Amino acid sequence: KNEVEQSPQNLTAQEGEFITINCSYSVGISALHWLQQHPGGGIVSLFMLSSGKKKHGRLIATINIQEKHSSLHITASHPRDSAVYICAVRGYNTDKLIFGTGTRLQVFP
Amino acid sequence: NAGVTQTPKFRVLKTGQSMTLLCAQDMNHEYMYWYRQDPGMGLRLIHYSVGEGTTAKGEVPDGYNVSRLKKQNFLLGLESAAPSQTSVYFCASSYWRRNTSTDTQYFGPGTRLTVL
Repeated sequence: KNEVEQSPQNLTAQEGEFITINCSYSVGISALHWLQQHPGGGIVSLFMLSSGKKKHGRLIATINIQEKHSSLHITASHPRDSAVYICAVRGYNTDKLIFGTGTRLQVFP
Repeated sequence: NAGVTQTPKFRVLKTGQSMTLLCAQDMNHEYMYWYRQDPGMGLRLIHYSVGEGTTAKGEVPDGYNVSRLKKQNFLLGLESAAPSQTSVYFCASSYWRRNTSTDTQYFGPGTRLTVL
């Protein structure tokens, strides 16, 4: 079993829909990252969370440390949100990140 | 600032050939990483460095070597390329402090390598 699990693996939506992507992890962590990768593109950091909630534009990320769970929400989704969203965690006092396999999102007009 | 850059962007090798991928960052980060990304799998760590002159093995280090002679550069070498090393390679650098909430990640644009 992977230490970082994402669901769903694939997601399709109509423009304007509210999107939720989930990440569960099995290790104690000091930080959780949400990353975005557009098709054929590089990887961009969206959020780093150690507790609570962060918002940037239409993106909202939350984390529940006790439940070892994080969610990434996209409000009013747009075709340009189509990308792979990757969850990654940093365990306590470790130099390395552990990555989920990603969630592929396609938003249709 | 250029951020994290990778050279080359694309490369095709024949089995047994060697090559070096260069990663450079201009943010004075201590931590640098080399990952490979394959279809259906998450990013897998090949090697990493926690500072100039240091290197450490990651999850999939076999067949690769690295060097960090200068803080801003992290080189990934393939001594004898194999078809199993066909992948997209990403370099990353990060600024991270233990026991703080400071943890930023920057990725390079990737290198697409095909080994025939």
